[in-house]
Formats: sequence, structure tokens, C-alpha cells
Amino acid sequence: QSALTQPRSVSGSPGQSVTISCTGTSSDVGGYNYVSWYQQHPGKAPKLMIYDVSTRPSGVPDRFSGSKSGNTASLTISGLQAEDEADYYCCSYAGSYTSVFGGGTKLTVL
Amino acid sequence: QVQLVESGGGVVQPGRSLRLSCAASGITFNNYAMHWVRQAPGKGLEWVAVISSDGRNKYYGDSVKGRFTISRDNSKNTLSLQMNSLRAEDTAVYYCAKDRASGSYYAFAFDIWGQGTMVSVSS
Repeated sequence: QSALTQPRSVSGSPGQSVTISCTGTSSDVGGYNYVSWYQQHPGKAPKLMIYDVSTRPSGVPDRFSGSKSGNTASLTISGLQAEDEADYYCCSYAGSYTSVFGGGTKLTVL
Repeated sequence: QVQLVESGGGVVQPGRSLRLSCAASGITFNNYAMHWVRQAPGKGLEWVAVISSDGRNKYYGDSVKGRFTISRDNSKNTLSLQMNSLRAEDTAVYYCAKDRASGSYYAFAFDIWGQGTMVSVSS
């Protein structure tokens, strides 16, 4: 159960788009369409932003979108807003009823 | 109001035990699998364990297997995590989280989280 690989940090200006990658293996990201993404502000609990690779829960702005190609999943945030500044984590089902998270990416809105 | 509230955290010596609880309200608790996820200070999230909606099936991450036990009491809408043989590397905020899928299914997507309870393992 090795952690999924995410960039440590990404940044963008308000109104721009950013993409956060999440690389795993054929045993997790590449093997299942059960990738989810979480937003975490400092001192707060994580919040589900995307599940099943690309589905947004109700209440999540459509500026957030998810995709997957092979062993790499991606979260794209378009029309960046100041409140999007947070840590983002990907998570994937890893078989045998287990799950694995990515190391997290700090998004800075310039 | 949908809410998960963890309790039971604290400071404990290495090798000792601690039991965490998570009280659920505003959801049909017995209809969902439940998870524990932890976060070491300044670090990322780590999935710890899952229990099926009926409590019969339990699965664990490699780092806690054999030391931690997840359980639930559906009559009291409560999830628990018994942590034995604690190590310094178990120091973390522990979150309980609800699985998005209902019934006997697992989505491994966590749509409701508690506020977390801090566990510090130190001599």
C-alpha cells in the first residue's frame, strides 16, 4: 500500500485553471474507477470534491472536474478563486477492500 | 443535521492501548460502511480501516493490521477503534468517515467526516 504520488505544490492566479495529478499503479488508480479527491483547509476535516473519478457531489462547484488516464488521475480546478487555496488529496481503491491516499498537494492562489 | 463526532483521543505511552469512538447522528447509521482515516501532524491522510454496514466484515491498512480493531454498535449509532500496542508513528488526528455507498456496498469515497480526535503516543 504505497502512497499515490502527487506534486507537493501547485499555484495559479485567480481565474486561471490548475491541474493536480495523482499517479498510482495498475493495482490501484489504473485498476479501478474508484478515485476520489478531497479538499482540506488548515485545521479542518477533509471534504469530498470528486468521486468515481469524475462525479461531483451535490454542492461542489462545477469548476472542479476529475479525469483518469491509465495509472494517473487528475483534478482540474478552473476559474480559480481565493477560497480554493487548500490542500488536495487523491484517494483510490487498492483492491482487497483497502484504500490508499496520495501525499497531498498544496494549492496556492497567487 | 448530519454529524460524526469522535472522542477518546489523548496522550498514551508506547505499547499501551486506547479506544476511540465516533457518534453518528442525522444518518441511517446501519445502512453505511464506516471508515477510520488518520493524519499525522503536518502529514497527509492515511486510510486505516473499514467496517461493513452490518459489522460482519472488517479490513485494515498494513500499518495497523493485527494491532487495531474496528467495531460498531448499530443500536447506539457508534463506531469504535480499539488501538493496542501503540507506537510513536501512530500519533495522528483520527477521523471517522462515512462511506458514500449504501447497503452492503463499498464506494471507498468518504462523504461525511468528523472533526477528528488527536492521539499522541509518547513516553
